Amino acid sequence: EVQLVQSGAEVKKPGESLKISCKGSGYSFTSYWIGWVRQMPGKGLEWMGIIYPGDSDTRYSPSFQGQVTISADKSISTAYLQWSSLKASDTAMYYCVRHNGGATTHFDYWGQGTLVTVSS
Amino acid sequence: QSVLTQPPSASGTPGQRVTISCSGSSSNIGSNTVNWYQQLPGTAPKLLIYSNNQRPSGVPDRFSGSKSGTSASLAISGLQSEDEADYYCAAWDDSLNGHVVFGGGTKLTVL
Repeated sequence: EVQLVQSGAEVKKPGESLKISCKGSGYSFTSYWIGWVRQMPGKGLEWMGIIYPGDSDTRYSPSFQGQVTISADKSISTAYLQWSSLKASDTAMYYCVRHNGGATTHFDYWGQGTLVTVSS
Repeated sequence: QSVLTQPPSASGTPGQRVTISCSGSSSNIGSNTVNWYQQLPGTAPKLLIYSNNQRPSGVPDRFSGSKSGTSASLAISGLQSEDEADYYCAAWDDSLNGHVVFGGGTKLTVL
């Protein structure tokens, strides 16, 4: 069974750093693109970027380029999303997703979400 | 402002057929396939329709998708109370080195 299991909720202060994770199982982790999707409170879905764990090829949405870093450790089948300096506007639910096939394809599996709260 | 345009809300009574539109441009819907996601209250989204009109295993055939030019639509027939959810369209956009774009979402209310 394919599963994406994300790390738990986080409460941080503005300016702090953070790295959240997404562990894939039940499939060949290095063969599928993993993406991240943001959902701010009461708002819609926004695609942030993707990584191909096989070779760490990474692409970012223009809206998120330079704001976050996506990485992966294929030895433990885990993808990461990190911030070097959080802002209150980073408060959101973050989902990892598996792209079915190439980078342009649909998301066939979603993680359960990681709620990030940034508040002073 | 989302790249893909959806109506913010839609509604219907049980048993009715409702449609949700999704409008884009030549760089996204016009040249790539459209996918639809359903987000039930308090849960993660799930894939509902992929490649314009394909249903993943387990999705009832009451749900169907179509695409024409730079627009797409999701149709739900035989509306049920459990269909009350947010629905999002999405597509790859070829501009700016390529990225996924979403619609703003449509909240479906079953009256």
